[in-house]
Amino acid sequence: QVQLQQWGAGLLKPSETLSLTCDVHGGSFSGYYWNWVRQPPGKGLEWIAEISHTGSTNYNPSLKSRIIISIDTSLNQFSLKLGSVTAADTAVYFCARSETYSHALDVWGQGTEVTVSS
Amino acid sequence: DIQMTQSPSSLSASVGDRVTITCRASQDISNYLAWYQQKPGKVPELLIYAASVLQSGVPYRFSGGGSGTHFTLTISSLQPEDFASYYCQNYNSVPRTFGQGTKLEIK
Repeated sequence: QVQLQQWGAGLLKPSETLSLTCDVHGGSFSGYYWNWVRQPPGKGLEWIAEISHTGSTNYNPSLKSRIIISIDTSLNQFSLKLGSVTAADTAVYFCARSETYSHALDVWGQGTEVTVSS
Repeated sequence: DIQMTQSPSSLSASVGDRVTITCRASQDISNYLAWYQQKPGKVPELLIYAASVLQSGVPYRFSGGGSGTHFTLTISSLQPEDFASYYCQNYNSVPRTFGQGTKLEIK
């Protein structure tokens, strides 16, 4: 059964770059998209971006200019970088899996709380 | 972007009640809709995809319906563990937008 384990820095200063990685355990990369979703404190979910096992990407236009999403199938992991962070980027960030033919998010990482504060 | 609007934003109900949450899309998304449950401090869990297909392991008291722009999530008989927040998500197009959420509370 596939499990996603994510990790990365939890406290950033404004203008720094958020960097998170999600390790994929027990499953294949093929046939899936690999996603990032975030949730500001007390608020709803926001989809950030997705990447396929071949490296095909889709981004939320509201964040696209600041995002780099990448995948390393040899290490069974995918990553998110979000540049020029501000307090508005404070959120719990989740990695998640979706199938290629259905982009519903069926497996989620445990979440990483990221705080942006000077 | 396709906007997803859920109603109500919050709902109080009792154990055993039947409840329905509505999700409306600003454009036709066919049946490319998912529903998630999230308990406080926990990770969201997929309940339903393709508008009406129950994810493996999800109790049969949950059901989904609709297509196009109007969708519903129904819980036939509320159980104590169902009190949580629920989100719909469009995955017909990018960005794969979520509704704002519905918080289901105990009356």
